[in-house]
Amino acid sequence: EAQVTQNPRYLITVTGKKLTVTCSQNMNHEYMSWYRQDPGLGLRQIYYSMNVEVTDKGDVPEGYKVSRKEKRNFPLILESPSPNQTSLYFCASSLSPPPTFSDGTYRYNEQFFGPGTRLTVL
Amino acid sequence: AQKVTQAQTEISVVEKEDVTLDCVYETRDTTYYLFWYKQPPSGELVFLIRRNSFDEQNEISGRYSWNFQKSTSSFNFTITASQVVDSAVYFCALGVWWNTDKLIFGTGTRLQVFP
Repeated sequence: EAQVTQNPRYLITVTGKKLTVTCSQNMNHEYMSWYRQDPGLGLRQIYYSMNVEVTDKGDVPEGYKVSRKEKRNFPLILESPSPNQTSLYFCASSLSPPPTFSDGTYRYNEQFFGPGTRLTVL
Repeated sequence: AQKVTQAQTEISVVEKEDVTLDCVYETRDTTYYLFWYKQPPSGELVFLIRRNSFDEQNEISGRYSWNFQKSTSSFNFTITASQVVDSAVYFCALGVWWNTDKLIFGTGTRLQVFP
């Protein structure tokens, strides 16, 4: 079954204790990204990766790190978590770059979201 | 810049009522995509629909229908004869052709359907 998995699904931790949220996809997608969801703000992109060893900042990268050593995995690292990083985190993946057909039409590559990780930092 | 506005923070209805969730978007691109996602209390994001900017046809899927109007930059979502199981947060999102891997989300509308 094609899917994006995240672990853990729930995590309660304390300020300053390093943690990693794993994300894995089995669809051979090049592109992966992390979003955080906060009340009243919707989902905002944290980091994204266009392929192995290629990562870049999204809209809210402060306090986070990522790595992309393998195509299927894209872990999110919080080196020193703080309470303002309490949030619901989603990993997503898609094919990239999107193919453009010879007739000029353009096909959108679907994004697949993981089930979410609810993080609480005390 | 791209932006999605969902002005309705929360809507409450009684079962069997029809309800429309509003979505207004901003983009200068002529090629873009619009989405609706449902987030039930369990937290996962459930894809509902995708529309591209060249297709303004309205779509109906069971009790769900979507009204895409480029003239008003709106992509509204209507649930007919709402049910308790429709209770969820609904997100509208925008994707642009040159960065299809990033979705710009609205702030969401929480729908509560009471029996």
